[in-house]
Amino acid sequence: NAGVTQTPKFQVLKTGQSMTLQCAQDMNHEYMSWYRQDPGMGLRLIHYSVGAGITDQGEVPNGYNVSRSTTEDFPLRLLSAAPSQTSVYFCASTSPGANTEAFFGQGTRLTVV
Amino acid sequence: DAKTTQPPSMDCAEGRAANLPCNHSTISGNEYVYWYRQIHSQGPQYIIHGLKNNETNEMASLIITEDRKSSTLILPHATLRDTAVYYCIVRSGSGTYKYIFGTGTRLKVLA
Repeated sequence: NAGVTQTPKFQVLKTGQSMTLQCAQDMNHEYMSWYRQDPGMGLRLIHYSVGAGITDQGEVPNGYNVSRSTTEDFPLRLLSAAPSQTSVYFCASTSPGANTEAFFGQGTRLTVV
Repeated sequence: DAKTTQPPSMDCAEGRAANLPCNHSTISGNEYVYWYRQIHSQGPQYIIHGLKNNETNEMASLIITEDRKSSTLILPHATLRDTAVYYCIVRSGSGTYKYIFGTGTRLKVLA
Protein backbone atom coordinates (compact mmCIF):
# COMPACT_ATOMS: atom_id res chain seq x y z
CA ASN A 1 0.00 0.00 0.00
CA ALA A 2 1.38 3.38 -1.02
CA GLY A 3 -1.29 5.32 0.91
CA VAL A 4 -1.71 8.88 -0.39
CA THR A 5 0.75 9.93 -3.08
CA GLN A 6 1.24 13.53 -4.14
CA THR A 7 3.19 14.72 -7.15
CA PRO A 8 5.26 16.75 -7.65
CA LYS A 9 7.02 17.30 -4.31
CA PHE A 10 8.36 20.70 -5.36
CA GLN A 11 7.27 23.15 -8.05
CA VAL A 12 8.16 26.69 -9.05
CA LEU A 13 5.68 28.57 -11.25
CA LYS A 14 5.65 31.98 -12.81
CA THR A 15 2.71 34.25 -12.14
CA GLY A 16 -0.10 33.45 -14.55
CA GLN A 17 0.99 29.92 -15.32
CA SER A 18 -1.33 26.99 -14.75
CA MET A 19 -0.61 23.59 -13.31
CA THR A 20 -2.20 20.54 -11.75
CA LEU A 21 -1.19 19.02 -8.44
CA GLN A 22 -1.80 15.31 -8.46
CA CYS A 23 -3.15 13.21 -5.59
CA ALA A 24 -3.78 9.49 -5.69
CA GLN A 25 -4.80 7.01 -2.99
CA ASP A 26 -4.96 3.23 -3.10
CA MET A 27 -7.15 2.63 -0.03
CA ASN A 28 -10.50 2.89 -1.83
CA HIS A 29 -11.43 5.89 0.30
CA GLU A 30 -14.50 7.81 -0.78
CA TYR A 31 -13.58 11.08 0.92
CA MET A 32 -10.65 13.15 -0.35
CA SER A 33 -9.63 16.70 0.36
CA TRP A 34 -7.01 19.36 -0.37
CA TYR A 35 -5.44 21.69 2.17
CA ARG A 36 -2.92 24.48 2.01
CA GLN A 37 -0.54 25.42 4.78
CA ASP A 38 1.14 28.80 4.94
CA PRO A 39 4.19 29.40 7.17
CA GLY A 40 3.39 29.21 10.87
CA MET A 41 -0.25 28.39 10.29
CA GLY A 42 -2.49 25.37 10.43
CA LEU A 43 -3.97 23.62 7.42
CA ARG A 44 -6.87 25.28 5.63
CA LEU A 45 -9.37 23.30 3.59
CA ILE A 46 -9.50 24.23 -0.11
CA HIS A 47 -11.84 21.69 -1.72
CA TYR A 48 -13.14 18.28 -0.83
CA SER A 49 -14.97 15.38 -2.41
CA VAL A 50 -17.27 12.80 -0.84
CA GLY A 51 -17.12 10.50 -3.85
CA ALA A 52 -16.52 10.27 -7.58
CA GLY A 53 -18.35 13.06 -9.38
CA ILE A 54 -19.03 15.03 -6.19
CA THR A 55 -16.94 17.99 -5.06
CA ASP A 56 -17.50 21.00 -2.83
CA GLN A 57 -15.70 24.09 -1.62
CA GLY A 58 -13.85 24.41 1.63
CA GLU A 59 -12.61 27.50 3.49
CA VAL A 60 -10.31 28.94 0.79
CA PRO A 61 -11.46 27.74 -2.67
CA ASN A 62 -10.76 30.82 -4.77
CA GLY A 63 -8.19 30.31 -7.50
CA TYR A 64 -8.46 26.50 -7.41
CA ASN A 65 -10.50 23.95 -9.34
CA VAL A 66 -11.01 20.26 -8.64
CA SER A 67 -12.73 17.31 -10.23
CA ARG A 68 -13.17 13.70 -9.15
CA SER A 69 -13.64 11.30 -12.03
CA THR A 70 -12.36 8.23 -10.18
CA THR A 71 -12.26 7.10 -6.55
CA GLU A 72 -8.46 6.99 -6.61
CA ASP A 73 -7.57 10.43 -7.98
CA PHE A 74 -8.33 13.99 -6.89
CA PRO A 75 -6.28 16.57 -8.83
CA LEU A 76 -6.07 20.23 -7.82
CA ARG A 77 -5.79 22.76 -10.63
CA LEU A 78 -4.38 26.26 -10.44
CA LEU A 79 -5.69 28.08 -13.51
CA SER A 80 -3.60 31.24 -13.21
CA ALA A 81 -1.03 31.08 -10.44
CA ALA A 82 -0.53 34.06 -8.14
CA PRO A 83 2.22 34.73 -5.56
CA SER A 84 -0.46 34.44 -2.84
CA GLN A 85 -0.76 30.76 -3.74
CA THR A 86 2.80 30.08 -2.62
CA SER A 87 2.24 27.44 0.03
CA VAL A 88 2.57 23.78 0.93
CA TYR A 89 -0.36 21.72 -0.32
CA PHE A 90 -1.55 18.53 1.35
CA CYS A 91 -4.00 15.96 0.06
CA ALA A 92 -5.87 13.66 2.43
CA SER A 93 -8.21 10.70 2.15
CA THR A 94 -10.50 8.89 4.54
CA SER A 95 -13.49 6.63 4.65
CA PRO A 96 -16.89 8.17 5.36
CA GLY A 97 -17.95 8.33 8.97
CA ALA A 98 -16.77 10.24 11.98
CA ASN A 99 -14.91 7.29 13.46
CA THR A 100 -12.22 6.93 10.79
CA GLU A 101 -8.76 8.44 10.61
CA ALA A 102 -7.50 10.47 7.67
CA PHE A 103 -4.32 9.75 5.78
CA PHE A 104 -2.25 12.63 4.45
CA GLY A 105 0.22 12.84 1.63
CA GLN A 106 3.69 14.26 2.14
CA GLY A 107 2.85 17.56 0.52
CA THR A 108 3.71 19.63 -2.53
CA ARG A 109 5.76 22.74 -1.91
CA LEU A 110 4.70 25.35 -4.46
CA THR A 111 6.43 28.67 -5.07
CA VAL A 112 4.91 31.25 -7.41
CA VAL A 113 7.30 33.98 -8.53
CA ASP B 1 -18.18 22.74 12.87
CA ALA B 2 -17.01 23.10 16.44
CA LYS B 3 -13.91 25.20 17.04
CA THR B 4 -10.97 24.18 19.18
CA THR B 5 -8.60 26.25 21.30
CA GLN B 6 -5.07 25.11 22.14
CA PRO B 7 -2.09 26.81 23.77
CA PRO B 8 0.36 27.95 21.08
CA SER B 9 3.40 26.26 22.61
CA MET B 10 4.57 23.97 25.40
CA ASP B 11 7.85 22.49 26.60
CA CYS B 12 8.33 19.07 28.12
CA ALA B 13 11.39 17.34 29.55
CA GLU B 14 12.45 14.16 27.80
CA GLY B 15 11.10 11.08 29.58
CA ARG B 16 8.32 12.99 31.28
CA ALA B 17 4.65 12.92 30.36
CA ALA B 18 3.47 15.61 27.98
CA ASN B 19 -0.08 16.78 28.63
CA LEU B 20 -1.57 18.81 25.79
CA PRO B 21 -4.93 20.47 26.52
CA CYS B 22 -7.68 21.35 24.09
CA ASN B 23 -10.89 23.27 24.59
CA HIS B 24 -13.90 22.45 22.41
CA SER B 25 -16.79 23.95 24.33
CA THR B 26 -19.19 24.00 21.33
CA ILE B 27 -18.81 20.32 20.48
CA SER B 28 -21.98 18.50 19.43
CA GLY B 29 -23.12 15.11 20.59
CA ASN B 30 -22.07 13.23 17.46
CA GLU B 31 -18.71 14.95 16.96
CA TYR B 32 -15.46 13.13 17.62
CA VAL B 33 -12.25 14.62 18.99
CA TYR B 34 -9.20 13.81 16.87
CA TRP B 35 -5.53 14.46 17.48
CA TYR B 36 -2.91 14.70 14.76
CA ARG B 37 0.68 15.84 14.81
CA GLN B 38 2.93 17.36 12.20
CA ILE B 39 6.68 16.88 12.39
CA HIS B 40 8.58 19.59 10.53
CA SER B 41 6.61 20.13 7.32
CA GLN B 42 5.57 16.54 6.78
CA GLY B 43 1.95 15.50 6.28
CA PRO B 44 -0.07 15.34 9.50
CA GLN B 45 0.03 12.00 11.27
CA TYR B 46 -2.95 10.49 13.08
CA ILE B 47 -2.49 9.91 16.81
CA ILE B 48 -5.80 9.05 18.44
CA HIS B 49 -9.49 9.92 18.55
CA GLY B 50 -12.50 9.52 20.83
CA LEU B 51 -16.16 10.34 21.31
CA LYS B 52 -16.74 10.44 25.06
CA ASN B 53 -14.74 7.66 26.66
CA ASN B 54 -11.05 7.85 27.42
CA GLU B 55 -8.93 6.13 24.80
CA THR B 56 -5.43 4.67 24.77
CA ASN B 57 -3.25 3.29 22.02
CA GLU B 58 0.43 2.61 21.53
CA MET B 59 1.19 6.28 20.96
CA ALA B 60 -0.89 8.18 23.46
CA SER B 61 -3.89 8.48 25.75
CA LEU B 62 -6.87 10.75 25.26
CA ILE B 63 -8.81 12.01 28.24
CA ILE B 64 -12.18 13.65 27.47
CA THR B 65 -14.05 15.45 30.25
CA GLU B 66 -17.51 14.24 31.15
CA ASP B 67 -19.17 17.30 29.62
CA ARG B 68 -16.97 16.80 26.50
CA LYS B 69 -16.02 20.46 26.43
CA SER B 70 -12.32 19.78 26.74
CA SER B 71 -9.78 17.03 26.32
CA THR B 72 -6.14 16.26 27.04
CA LEU B 73 -3.69 14.33 24.92
CA ILE B 74 -1.09 12.52 27.01
CA LEU B 75 2.23 11.32 25.64
CA PRO B 76 3.35 9.16 28.57
CA HIS B 77 7.11 9.28 28.06
CA ALA B 78 8.01 12.07 25.67
CA THR B 79 11.09 11.68 23.48
CA LEU B 80 12.92 14.17 21.30
CA ARG B 81 11.14 12.65 18.30
CA ASP B 82 7.82 13.82 19.74
CA THR B 83 8.78 17.43 19.07
CA ALA B 84 6.05 18.55 16.65
CA VAL B 85 2.92 20.64 16.23
CA TYR B 86 -0.10 18.88 17.71
CA TYR B 87 -3.58 19.57 16.35
CA CYS B 88 -6.82 18.94 18.18
CA ILE B 89 -9.74 18.69 15.75
CA VAL B 90 -13.44 18.18 16.19
CA ARG B 91 -14.87 16.21 13.34
CA SER B 92 -18.49 16.20 12.28
CA GLY B 93 -20.29 12.93 12.86
CA SER B 94 -22.37 13.22 9.72
CA GLY B 95 -22.52 14.86 6.35
CA THR B 96 -19.18 15.92 4.99
CA TYR B 97 -16.93 14.71 7.83
CA LYS B 98 -14.65 17.67 7.28
CA TYR B 99 -11.49 18.29 9.28
CA ILE B 100 -11.07 21.92 10.29
CA PHE B 101 -7.57 22.57 11.61
CA GLY B 102 -6.65 25.26 14.11
CA THR B 103 -3.13 26.53 14.70
CA GLY B 104 -2.20 23.71 17.09
CA THR B 105 0.30 23.47 19.96
CA ARG B 106 4.00 23.46 19.20
CA LEU B 107 5.48 20.92 21.62
CA LYS B 108 9.20 21.04 22.21
CA VAL B 109 10.72 18.12 24.06
CA LEU B 110 13.89 19.17 25.87
CA ALA B 111 16.88 16.90 26.47
